Amino acid sequence: TQLLEQSPQFLSIQEGENLTVYCNSSSVFSSLQWYRQEPGEGPVLLVTVVTGGEVKKLKRLTFQFGDARKDSSLHITAAQPGDTGLYLCAGANNYGQNFVFGPGTRLSVLP
Amino acid sequence: DSGVTQTPKHLITATGQRVTLRCSPRSGDLSVYWYQQSLDQGLQFLIQYYNGEERAKGNILERFSAQQFPDLHSELNLSSLELGDSALYFCASSSTHGRATDTQYFGPGTRLTVL
Repeated sequence: TQLLEQSPQFLSIQEGENLTVYCNSSSVFSSLQWYRQEPGEGPVLLVTVVTGGEVKKLKRLTFQFGDARKDSSLHITAAQPGDTGLYLCAGANNYGQNFVFGPGTRLSVLP
Repeated sequence: DSGVTQTPKHLITATGQRVTLRCSPRSGDLSVYWYQQSLDQGLQFLIQYYNGEERAKGNILERFSAQQFPDLHSELNLSSLELGDSALYFCASSSTHGRATDTQYFGPGTRLTVL
């Protein structure tokens, strides 16, 4: 069974601070996706990484896939209150079957 | 708005009952996925359909079943409901059979409360 762990579970920071959240597994994934979910809504895809060592940037968000494709990190620079939400990572095998989601990191950015 | 619609938004029922959740995928998407999200278990993949056929199965209980109709909408049937089935149920859709790089578009969810 493929499992994903995320850390920290909760994070509360002030506006303007930087932060990094982590997604780890003992399994290799063909791809890893990061989602953000706001209260009362479904998750929204932020990025998909597929190559070991890959780094992708989305404005103030930087995503990295580990060399062994077992872990990933999300770094946010100069966090804003609009970044508040539940950040989920999800891993998939080659056929996209059984997307496995981590438990999430709940981020709160205070103004 | 993801383009995925789910009804109803809220559902309150009693233990032992049966309910049906409905999902309409984005226009043109052939795959539908069902997920259960609870506080203690996080987001769990239940089942995937592609163009009317079951494609992948996850942690779906035998009391639960799903189908995808010719017009591509999908229904998730939950029977003999238990208190522990209270959760948010999400439907997602994607354009292909489910590649690892696919973008899944999630609906707003149905909140099920079993009393």
